[in-house]
Amino acid sequence: VLTLSPGTLSLSPGDRATLSCRTSETVSSTYLAWYQQKPGQAPRLLIYAASTRAPGIPDRFSGSMSGTDFTLAISRLEPEDSAMYYCQRYDRSPPMYTFGQGTKLEIK
Amino acid sequence: QVQLEESGPGLVMPPGTLSLTCGVSDGSVTDDKWWHWLRQSPGKGLEWIGEMFRSGAINYNPSLKSRVTISVDKSKNHFSLRLDSVTTADTAVYYCAGGGLYSLQVWGKGTTVIVSP
Repeated sequence: VLTLSPGTLSLSPGDRATLSCRTSETVSSTYLAWYQQKPGQAPRLLIYAASTRAPGIPDRFSGSMSGTDFTLAISRLEPEDSAMYYCQRYDRSPPMYTFGQGTKLEIK
Repeated sequence: QVQLEESGPGLVMPPGTLSLTCGVSDGSVTDDKWWHWLRQSPGKGLEWIGEMFRSGAINYNPSLKSRVTISVDKSKNHFSLRLDSVTTADTAVYYCAGGGLYSLQVWGKGTTVIVSP
């Protein structure tokens, strides 16, 4: 199980957002990724292996982990960062990808 | 960067079969990638359906395994999804995606499939 918090986050331009994804059991950092999804669009990979930015992702986005807690931080928020954010876990046995329920980030 | 595009019927009658194709451009289905199908519905969020590798290795979501088939056509440079015995619960936006190790790097735009009598 992946639990994201908060469910909704409302912040202002220039603020820093911190999104949390908690796993129910220990997960290797290699197997955790973050995605951004805007309305009407497909998800976009932001972070893989818990802390590695995908190509083309600005350094305002960063990922970290501590035990079973994974964090996505977005600094210097811009209106275009308004979106749903999902964490995703990979399991080896059986091979399986699982997504959290998402955090809605609103920039007002 | 490789681009993906889903295609197929937007309406399927239960208990029929949902069939979608994912065309690969600026790349090849024989590239060193896993090719995936996922879906998203308001009730169930993002759900992974299955994946296949160029070697022919295939993995399915255990909850859908009995109804799903993923296949590839190298001559047409596309891969396909078949979901049998559909119900209204299979109504969703279906995505194809390509990934490396343990994440999904590139996604198609998605296609809406409605299952309705």
